[in-house]
Amino acid sequence: EVRLVESGGGLVQPGGSLRLSCAASGFAFSTYGMNWVRQGPGKGLEWFSYISSGSVIMYYADSVKGRFTISRDDGKNSLYLQMNSLRDEDTAVYYCVRTGSYSTFGVWGQGTLVTVSS
Amino acid sequence: DIVMTQTPLSLLVTLGQPASISCRSSQSLVHSDGNTYLSWLHQRPGQPPRLLIYQISDRFSGVPDRFSGSGAGTDFTLKISRVEAEDVGVYYCMQGTQFPPYTFGQGTKLEIK
Repeated sequence: EVRLVESGGGLVQPGGSLRLSCAASGFAFSTYGMNWVRQGPGKGLEWFSYISSGSVIMYYADSVKGRFTISRDDGKNSLYLQMNSLRDEDTAVYYCVRTGSYSTFGVWGQGTLVTVSS
Repeated sequence: DIVMTQTPLSLLVTLGQPASISCRSSQSLVHSDGNTYLSWLHQRPGQPPRLLIYQISDRFSGVPDRFSGSGAGTDFTLKISRVEAEDVGVYYCMQGTQFPPYTFGQGTKLEIK
């Protein structure tokens, strides 16, 4: 079974840091580009980061550029997100998503909640 | 960035009746490779989104044939031929033609009347 499982979410103060992980199983993780997508409370979906297979290319949305870092460890079938200088507006459910053929988001994790609050 | 605009933002539908959601992009979604990377996703309450349709009209694995997609260029439509109870939730269109960034529509909430 193809599966993505996020972990690492929680409550953090503004200005703080948090590291999210996403464990992949059931597919050849190293061959896929991976993304992070978030959803604020009661809001829509926001893509904000991508990493290619082989970690050759990384992209970020302007909203997180310079604060968040995406990385992967193909030996551990894992995707990571280092989040620094967190703001109230970063409060959201964070999803790990696999990029499939035709730029599809066909595999999603269950999400992990990050709450930024004092 | 390409802006995706969905209409309507909410939909109240009787069980067994059809439903239709429109999505308009601020620029053509035809890629230089000739493909159009327009997808539709469905999110049930408390669940992650799941892919329904990709490349305008191709149904993803396991998606019932009551879901269909159509359109071209900048105008796209998702149709449900006969709404069932499990179809409630929020529907999103998404473009992957001009990335980064991938962009989503605002979402359309479907409820049963």
